[in-house]
Amino acid sequence: QKEVEQNSGPLSVPEGAIASLNCTYSDRGSQSFFWYRQYSGKSPELIMSIYSNGDKEDGRFTAQLNKASQYVSLLIRDSQPSDSATYLCAGPPFSAQKLVFGQGTRLTINP
Amino acid sequence: GAVVSQHPSWVICKSGTSVKIECRSLDFQATTMFWYRQFPKQSLMLMATSNEGSKATYEQGVEKDKFLINHASLTLSTLTVTSAHPEDSSFYICSAQRPLAGGVADTQYFGPGTRLTVL
Repeated sequence: QKEVEQNSGPLSVPEGAIASLNCTYSDRGSQSFFWYRQYSGKSPELIMSIYSNGDKEDGRFTAQLNKASQYVSLLIRDSQPSDSATYLCAGPPFSAQKLVFGQGTRLTINP
Repeated sequence: GAVVSQHPSWVICKSGTSVKIECRSLDFQATTMFWYRQFPKQSLMLMATSNEGSKATYEQGVEKDKFLINHASLTLSTLTVTSAHPEDSSFYICSAQRPLAGGVADTQYFGPGTRLTVL
């Protein structure tokens, strides 16, 4: 069983709309989660981290964590074509240092 | 911010030669760094965890004698691909782990990656 799962998409959203990306995890001991954005041919770039239940907002991005349901989501408001990328959800297993990545969701924002 | 650099950004080498890739954390100390490999249109694959002053921990299936990792200081880890072959051609990415104030969680910051082409 995969430890972090994402819908691989592709997800297509019109410009200006809200893009919603979801991730579920299996390890109840996981305490922290991260969203990375990866443009084609580039390395991942950290967008958000979240550790507590609830919402965390940073500009157009909102991360949501629900530990009871074991899911993490990322909302992108006012989507722009420059948001088109693959979004990676990641969380460390409770007892390990290394990140476990989901398979990534490819997001396309259509002008 | 947390800046991680990699050098070189790309390298082309002949089959059988060795290639060294450097990963540096520029504005923080990283006791732990990670090395990943990514083939086109595929997910990141963790190769090894590099801890300062100790031997690296390799993931299952990664040949430690082929991919030599050295983490000699708190800001530098190196990956050497020995006797490279065309199948080693890939995008190699390092990350450095930065402790978060308050000890909630460490955060990984990625370098820009090194594209290796073996002829």
